[in-house]
Amino acid sequence: SAVISQKPSRDICQRGTSLTIQCQVDSQVTMMFWYRQQPGQSLTLIATANQGSEATYESGFVIDKFPISRPNLTFSTLTVSNMSPEDSSIYLCSVEMGNTEAFFGQGTRLTVV
Amino acid sequence: GQSLEQPSEVTAVEGAIVQINCTYQTSGFYGLSWYQQHDGGAPTFLSYNGLDGLEETGRFSSFLSRSDSYGYLLLQELQMKDSASYFCAPRGRGQGGKLIFGQGTELSVKP
Repeated sequence: SAVISQKPSRDICQRGTSLTIQCQVDSQVTMMFWYRQQPGQSLTLIATANQGSEATYESGFVIDKFPISRPNLTFSTLTVSNMSPEDSSIYLCSVEMGNTEAFFGQGTRLTVV
Repeated sequence: GQSLEQPSEVTAVEGAIVQINCTYQTSGFYGLSWYQQHDGGAPTFLSYNGLDGLEETGRFSSFLSRSDSYGYLLLQELQMKDSASYFCAPRGRGQGGKLIFGQGTELSVKP
């Protein structure tokens, strides 16, 4: 199993500003995943963060808007840049253990005003 | 490409059995996962089918038919605490832990 600490748990931000979300895992993992969950919607994968290389972004998500860092095998950050109200969502990080089970952080509930 | 279909809502009473279906089209399909998410919480893993057939874990079972591109989650002896959203998530070969979630089924369990 894996224990994931994600912070902040929630924030209210002004439009045009940026927020960096941190994700810490209690074991070393090759890949970490960042998801967005808009209100009442399912989870959408933003990007895959690999240690030592640039993140791989899914269609519709770009590095300038969602820069990701992965400095080591237990930590990653996602920044939501130049925020607008449309960015109000829950952002979750995730890792996989045992090739079948994903573990999620508790999420960051972001409100942009 | 990929497509997923699951019912948006299901309502059942305590003690009943409910089945949540999932049909998928996934290139390089490898297996099907199921996750539960309570309102305001993080998704939690329920089950994974890498092979055809039924996987049973307590009150929850999951089934997969690769030839039909179909799976389901079966919840037995429903309890109020089972009220949550349930997501199927096919896995693609070589995708590692990358998950593409269906739209989710909101299960409401009534007394």
